[in-house]
Amino acid sequence: AQSVTQLDSQVPVFEEAPVELRCNYSSSVSVYLFWYVQYPNQGLQLLLKYLSGSTLVESINGFEAEFNKSQTSFHLRKPSVHISDTAEYFCAVISSGGYNKLIFGAGTRLAVHP
Amino acid sequence: DAGVTQSPTHLIKTRGQQVTLRCSPKSGHDTVSWYQQALGQGPQFIFQYYEEEERQRGNFPDRFSGHQFPNYSSELNVNALLLGDSALYLCASRPPSSSSYNEQFFGPGTRLTVL
Repeated sequence: AQSVTQLDSQVPVFEEAPVELRCNYSSSVSVYLFWYVQYPNQGLQLLLKYLSGSTLVESINGFEAEFNKSQTSFHLRKPSVHISDTAEYFCAVISSGGYNKLIFGAGTRLAVHP
Repeated sequence: DAGVTQSPTHLIKTRGQQVTLRCSPKSGHDTVSWYQQALGQGPQFIFQYYEEEERQRGNFPDRFSGHQFPNYSSELNVNALLLGDSALYLCASRPPSSSSYNEQFFGPGTRLTVL
C-alpha cells in the first residue's frame, strides 16, 4: 500500500521569498508522483507530475519538484512566491500498475504575506 | 468544452437521511472517480466507475454506493448519513487510454453538511 506524508501543515512566507513544501511517500512498487493545488472554494488542479525520465519537473508558473528515489521524497519549491500562490497544496501518488487511484497527503497551506 | 461539472454545489442534510450527488465528466472521458475531502484533510478515494461498473473501491462502508450511466455521468449515493460524512465530495474523470497513466480532471466539488 502507498502512503504520503506532507511534513508541514502550514507554511507562512513573505512575498518574493523562496519556499519549499515537503512531501515523502511510501510504496513497495513504482509510483507516479503529483502536486495538486486547491484555491479557496475550488476543486483540485494538477500543478506538476513525475512519471519517468528527468527527476526535476517544472510547472508553467515557476514551481518545480524533484523526485528523489533514495529518500522517497518529492519536495515542491519555488524561488520567489507571489500573493496569488496562497492556496492548499497536496502531494499525491499513483501506483504505476493500478487504475490511477490517487493517494493524497493531508495538504500544506501556503500563506503568502505582503 | 466544459470541464467536469458537479451538482449541487452545496447541500445540507440531517443525520439518517440519504443524499445523491451528481457528476458529468469532461467530454470524451469514460472513467469517473469519487473522492471525499474532510475539512483540513486530503481527498480520500471512494470508488471508480468504468463501463458502468465499480472497478475499484477505497475503504468506505457500503452506505456509499454509486452508479455510472451510459453517457458516462455518475452518481454518488450515501445512505444513513452521519455527522462525519460532512465533507467536500470531488469527482474526477479521465479519458480512455492504453497507457498506464492518464491525467484526471477534477470538478469543483459538492459541499455536504450533515446536521
